[in-house]
Amino acid sequence: SQTIHQWPATLVQPVGSPLSLECTVEGTSNPNLYWYRQAAGRGLQLLFYSVGIGQISSEVPQNLSASRPQDRQFILSSKKLLLSDSGFYLCAGGGDVFSQPQHFGDGTRLSIL
Amino acid sequence: GNSVTQMEGPVTLSEEAFLTINCTYTATGYPSLFWYVQYPGEGLQLLLKATKADDKGSNKGFEATYRKETTSFHLEKGSVQVSDSAVYFCALSDNTGFQKLVFGTGTRLLVSP
Repeated sequence: SQTIHQWPATLVQPVGSPLSLECTVEGTSNPNLYWYRQAAGRGLQLLFYSVGIGQISSEVPQNLSASRPQDRQFILSSKKLLLSDSGFYLCAGGGDVFSQPQHFGDGTRLSIL
Repeated sequence: GNSVTQMEGPVTLSEEAFLTINCTYTATGYPSLFWYVQYPGEGLQLLLKATKADDKGSNKGFEATYRKETTSFHLEKGSVQVSDSAVYFCALSDNTGFQKLVFGTGTRLLVSP
């Protein structure tokens, strides 16, 4: 079955610093991959999704970007973090066929100071 | 666009009480419906799913029925345990090739002994 690995688990960064969060997938090939953000007191919001290497779709305008350099690797980045980038970031994989649920990693809690 | 509405939390219950968490949705076409659970400090785990009208998803004593006529997918459990304390998210997938999930805001359940 599919397993999603995310790291780091927690991260504290100053405003204006860069960011790189990595997500890798085991147990499947050519998965759809997703980045979600859960801000304090709010639900989950889809940020990016990817259906293949180099293919990235953005759902909301923001300070972040995503890349997919390999089939099972999905990276979330920023050149300069803002306070509003704080939150819990979740990577998910799967959902490439109808009705198949997405599987989530354990998340990265990002605090911007 | 598609949307999911969940009842506000927190829901506070005593052990062995009956649980209902309401979820309604708005969607075009024929979405799949999911309940995910998030335990403290962890990512999301799929709890149950239903892919068509009148389907009942069930897992770990929880169940939910896909009601197209009322556009609802309410989560129920006959007897909750302290270990069920978590945040529960209702979600729908539009069943396009991208399988993007739309989440509700989540409902926190607190079960006391």
